Amino acid sequence: DGGITQSPKYLFRKEGQNVTLSCEQNLNHDAMYWYRQDPGQGLRLIYYSQIVNDFQKGDIAEGYSVSREKKESFPLTVTSAQKNPTAFYLCASSMGRRGSMNTEAFFGQGTRLTVV
Amino acid sequence: AQKVTQAQTEISVVEKEDVTLDCVYETRDTTYYLFWYKQPPSGELVFLIRRNSFDEQNEISGRYSWNFQKSTSSFNFTITASQVVDSAVYFCALSGAWGGYQKVTFGTGTKLQVIP
Repeated sequence: DGGITQSPKYLFRKEGQNVTLSCEQNLNHDAMYWYRQDPGQGLRLIYYSQIVNDFQKGDIAEGYSVSREKKESFPLTVTSAQKNPTAFYLCASSMGRRGSMNTEAFFGQGTRLTVV
Repeated sequence: AQKVTQAQTEISVVEKEDVTLDCVYETRDTTYYLFWYKQPPSGELVFLIRRNSFDEQNEISGRYSWNFQKSTSSFNFTITASQVVDSAVYFCALSGAWGGYQKVTFGTGTKLQVIP
């Protein structure tokens, strides 16, 4: 089945540690995104990538890093510089921009990160 | 700048009642796209509908209907004869063009609880 796979579903991190969240898609989508969800704040864009080896900062990129070495994969690293990392993280992909049409995004099931 | 407002934080209805979820947006773009997503307790966002700014026709899909009014910058979502399975958080989203890449702004979501 085509889709987006995020792993792990739950992740615990000690303060001061970096941690990497995995996101893989087999939809052959060009664009991939990372969002952070906090209670009462909706989804906020962390990073996005339109093509391999290229990515752009979103609204809240500080303390995060990404890579896009393969079309299928867009891992997110939460670094120790992120002051409040406890949140629900969602990865998404879309076909991207086709002419004047922005296509809908498909989301993974999310990773809940807790700092202990 | 883009903004999406979902003023209703939580709504509770009794099963079989109709319910409308409100969405008001702001954008300077003349061409833009509006989306609704459903987030069930499992966490992933499920795409429901995409509408472009040139198409103001209302849309009906089974028990779901959408009312897009450009004059009031609203894109409201109605569930007819609600069911317990409709219980979820619903997000309205707006997409425009930003630096040539797709950028989606989400509202803060409306939590719908359908009581049996």
